[in-house]
Amino acid sequence: QKEVEQNSGPLSVPEGAIASLNCTYSDRGSQSFFWYRQYSGKSPELIMSIYSNGDKEDGRFTAQLNKASQYVSLLIRDSQPSDSATYLCAVMDSGAGSYQLTFGKGTKLSVIP
Amino acid sequence: NAGVMQNPRHLVRRRGQEARLRCSPMKGHSHVYWYRQLPEEGLKFMVYLQKENIIDESGMPKERFSAEFPKEGPSILRIQQVVRGDSAAYFCASSPLLIQGANNEQFFGPGTRLTVL
Repeated sequence: QKEVEQNSGPLSVPEGAIASLNCTYSDRGSQSFFWYRQYSGKSPELIMSIYSNGDKEDGRFTAQLNKASQYVSLLIRDSQPSDSATYLCAVMDSGAGSYQLTFGKGTKLSVIP
Repeated sequence: NAGVMQNPRHLVRRRGQEARLRCSPMKGHSHVYWYRQLPEEGLKFMVYLQKENIIDESGMPKERFSAEFPKEGPSILRIQQVVRGDSAAYFCASSPLLIQGANNEQFFGPGTRLTVL
């Protein structure tokens, strides 16, 4: 049973601060990792994808991957109230020919003005 | 709008009726995935399809649920004889040609909120 674990939160940070979201996964065969943002009542929106160990930066977002520790994180710099949402970590194992995503339950982020 | 399209956005059915959910992938995408999000729970994979083929249905309930992606037209998720426990948000996602080892990003549609009375 593949598992993806996230702290459910809520994680509260003041506006302008760095928000740090963490995720661990159980399947060492996992090859691709994704962060989605989901506002209440809306669909998931892809924020970042990462495939190789290390950091990947895109604007205010940085994804970090450590396959040895089976750990992936998302940093949001200069947090804005509009960043308040649930952040979903998703993991893909494409080795078996299926590209299904396994999701964590999400971390709810609240950015306080 | 070249995004993933789903309809209807909201669907109300009485117990025992059938629900049909439709999904048109993004332009240029040939892979479709269906996920279900139950209230207060995470997203769960249901089925992965390519045109005229079901590739992985390991997440589909064994009874009452079926999916197809015909050569022409949208992908259809069909739920027969709905029960109250089927009430959920059903999301479709699509991706382009998949390359082993690449990121294989999936983009989600707006979802269909199914309510069973």
